[in-house]
Amino acid sequence: EAQVTQNPRYLITVTGKKLTVTCSQNMNHEYMSWYRQDPGLGLRQIYYSMNVEVTDKGDVPEGYKVSRKEKRNFPLILESPSPNQTSLYFCASSLAGVGTGELFFGEGSRLTVL
Amino acid sequence: SQKIEQNSEALNIQEGKTATLTCNYTNYSPAYLQWYRQDPGRGPVFLLLIRENEKEKRKERLKVTFDTTLKQSLFHITASQPADSATYLCALEEGTGGFKTIFGAGTRLFVKA
Repeated sequence: EAQVTQNPRYLITVTGKKLTVTCSQNMNHEYMSWYRQDPGLGLRQIYYSMNVEVTDKGDVPEGYKVSRKEKRNFPLILESPSPNQTSLYFCASSLAGVGTGELFFGEGSRLTVL
Repeated sequence: SQKIEQNSEALNIQEGKTATLTCNYTNYSPAYLQWYRQDPGRGPVFLLLIRENEKEKRKERLKVTFDTTLKQSLFHITASQPADSATYLCALEEGTGGFKTIFGAGTRLFVKA
């Protein structure tokens, strides 16, 4: 089954404790992206990757890091989480960048930073 | 900067009626626009993509229009059903290359039986 898998789905952590949210897709997609969703603000792009070892900032990259060492994986790293990073996070992938078709989204990772 | 506006108020309609959702954008001329459905606690699911040279696109009970002069897209669900109740998001790319996607905040649709 074609899917984007995120882990963990739910996480409560404390300020400053490094964490990683993993994202994996099994569709051989070149493009992957991370979004955060907050009430009233909609989905905002954090980082995206056009292919292995190629990443770039979205609209809200501050406080986040990403890496793309393999085509299927695109982890989101919060080196020192802060309460304003409490949000619902989505990973998405697409065959070759947006505009060529649909974005496939994961089920989301709800993060709470205390 | 590019901005997308969708009705923030929920849309309540009766089963069997046509639901019409609006997406307006400013400060850009996107080559295409997408619509997604999102259920509570779930990831968005792609519905339709319409390109700038397409005035209208249909898929089963769904219809999307794209007016580049008005900078507006309309999303219609005909013969609506309670199962259509969800939040609907529009999205477009910012800049050339289509690598940065901007989403609207979404419109919540409630279809009453």
